[in-house]
Amino acid sequence: EIVLTQSPGTLSLSPGERATLSCRASQTVTTSSLAWYQQKPGQAPRLLIYAASSRATGIRDRFSGSGSGTDFTLTISRLEPEDFAVYYCQQFDTSSKYTFGQGTKLEIK
Amino acid sequence: QVQLVQSGAEVKKPGASVKVSCKTSGYTFNLHWVRQAPGQGLEWMGIINPGSGGTIYAKKFQGRVTMTRDTSTSTVYMELSSLRSEDTAVYYCAREPAHDAWYFDYWGQGTLVTVSS
Repeated sequence: EIVLTQSPGTLSLSPGERATLSCRASQTVTTSSLAWYQQKPGQAPRLLIYAASSRATGIRDRFSGSGSGTDFTLTISRLEPEDFAVYYCQQFDTSSKYTFGQGTKLEIK
Repeated sequence: QVQLVQSGAEVKKPGASVKVSCKTSGYTFNLHWVRQAPGQGLEWMGIINPGSGGTIYAKKFQGRVTMTRDTSTSTVYMELSSLRSEDTAVYYCAREPAHDAWYFDYWGQGTLVTVSS
């Protein structure tokens, strides 16, 4: 089973700063199957990035995804107050099917 | 306009079953179920193709979960049996928009299932 490990667990930053969130896989992940979600308290997750680097409909260009193989990154270029939330990466493989990382909480410093 | 509207919260006793519905509007290639225990992360449970009715379940839930659909009402159901306290969670349905898309672009609002004696 492919395990996704996200780091850091919690990231404390100020509005206007740049956020870099990591997602590391225990085995090589198909790039086209790597996605990122944002979740705010009491809400369902929202798709941000699919296929590692493609922005979902309506997602601002300050969100970007990159990476391949076992290392993937979500970057938020200039944090806005509404960006403080929990972020999850997710992948698909034929053995494990769909797995999520444990999440990174982005909090206001 | 894609919408996924789920049924309301449920309280069940250990050993009982729960059936959660997800009414879909707009095209849905595959419909997945994902759950989230209180304060925890996301856990994939399985997938149903509303067109064919075909299902794939996560190994953890095989034997306890059943996903079905009613094409006349565009509603998908997830039934979980032999409930235990660890099944207390918010259950989400989520759309996979196309074959081999491998991501979920629309989500239901979530259904809280509480298992308590």
